Amino acid sequence: GENVEQHPSTLSVQEGDSAVIKCTYSDSASNYFPWYKQELGKRPQLIIDIRSNVGEKKDQRIAVTLNKTAKHFSLHITETQPEDSAVYFCAADYDKVIFGPGTSLSVIP
Amino acid sequence: DTGVSQNPRHKITKRGQNVTFRCDPISEHNRLYWYRQTLGQGPEFLTYFQNEAQLEKSRLLSDRFSAERPKGSFSTLEIQRTEQGDSAMYLCASSHGHPETQYFGPGTRLLVL
Repeated sequence: GENVEQHPSTLSVQEGDSAVIKCTYSDSASNYFPWYKQELGKRPQLIIDIRSNVGEKKDQRIAVTLNKTAKHFSLHITETQPEDSAVYFCAADYDKVIFGPGTSLSVIP
Repeated sequence: DTGVSQNPRHKITKRGQNVTFRCDPISEHNRLYWYRQTLGQGPEFLTYFQNEAQLEKSRLLSDRFSAERPKGSFSTLEIQRTEQGDSAMYLCASSHGHPETQYFGPGTRLLVL
């Protein structure tokens, strides 16, 4: 069945450092992989997504890489800022979206 | 149109009661999704619609849960005979086509006593 795993579950970095979150998915049928950020008490919001026809996508300090052969994708945040602190969810779209369990990122000023 | 809206935002009910939640998607979004989220977990897929057609319902979803989208616009999610384990945040999301960005509503937080 469709399953998405995500690591690490918690991540703490110093302000200005980079953060990397890794995800794997079980079913190769997915061609769309969004990443969502959820701040405490708020709704999930899309921060970046990638489709299977590209291996990497970048948007300012955020980048996502995709390896379809290995069925894994990663989120990279550079020059982290305190406002990046939140829970990040990777997801795989199988007509319905299956979310990973989340990574709680803390950026220490 | 300022985004996906959900009502009520909070609901407290007693075990065994029925509850109904409403979701109003972004205008012209033909896809509408329902998720359930508990503390420390990612959103869990419940069901989704394309226009008024319900295309899939999670196999994990009890028969006590039912959803409708009668005119392809707003949707309702009903939980019958609520149980304490139903306590969670219920999120609605909509998208314009697939696969496209899903925009989430603020959620309805349900507490079953």
